[in-house]
Amino acid sequence: GENVEQHPSTLSVQEGDSAVIKCTYSDSASNYFPWYKQELGKRPQLIIDIRSNVGEKKDQRIAVTLNKTAKHFSLHITETQPEDSAVYFCAARNYGGSQGNLIFGKGTKLSVKP
Amino acid sequence: EPEVTQTPSHQVTQMGQEVILRCVPISNHLYFYWYRQILGQKVEFLVSFYNNEISEKSEIFDDQFSVERPDGSNFTLKIRSTKLEDSAMYFCASSVYGTGGANVLTFGAGSRLTVL
Repeated sequence: GENVEQHPSTLSVQEGDSAVIKCTYSDSASNYFPWYKQELGKRPQLIIDIRSNVGEKKDQRIAVTLNKTAKHFSLHITETQPEDSAVYFCAARNYGGSQGNLIFGKGTKLSVKP
Repeated sequence: EPEVTQTPSHQVTQMGQEVILRCVPISNHLYFYWYRQILGQKVEFLVSFYNNEISEKSEIFDDQFSVERPDGSNFTLKIRSTKLEDSAMYFCASSVYGTGGANVLTFGAGSRLTVL
């Protein structure tokens, strides 16, 4: 089955700097890669996703890149702000499999220092 | 914005007791899921449900777990004979599409289960 590895487990940056979180996946059939942000004690919330037919997607300060050949995808946050502090989870899903069986990475705790 | 609602927000139970966690998915969603998150760990898939039956389940979803859609709005997770290791946050999620579609999952706020 699918296995998703996520690095780093913790990341501390200064406000205004960029943050990059990287994930790798094992199943070459996976074709949907969402990123979720989870603030302390709250639900995971989708912040951006990418499908395997594109290599990059951007939404304001957030971008995701996908390298299908290498089976890795990354989250890029530019001009970080203190409110970006949270745990970020990547996930992968195989369209040919179940309807929504997302396999999550272990999460990255991002701390943005003012 | 439509939300997935879950009750209770927190439940404390004794080991061996049965618990039922309830979820109301977004009204036009057709696919429902349960995930769990042990404190400080990643979110883990338990089960997906469509058309009144289980679509897929993980190894975690053993015989002590069951799901049901008792009426047109609720989606429940039952844990029979709870164990200490069942202590976790349980998230319900729903989506419009399934396989082959734009499958964006919306999560509920979670039900924290504490087994003593």
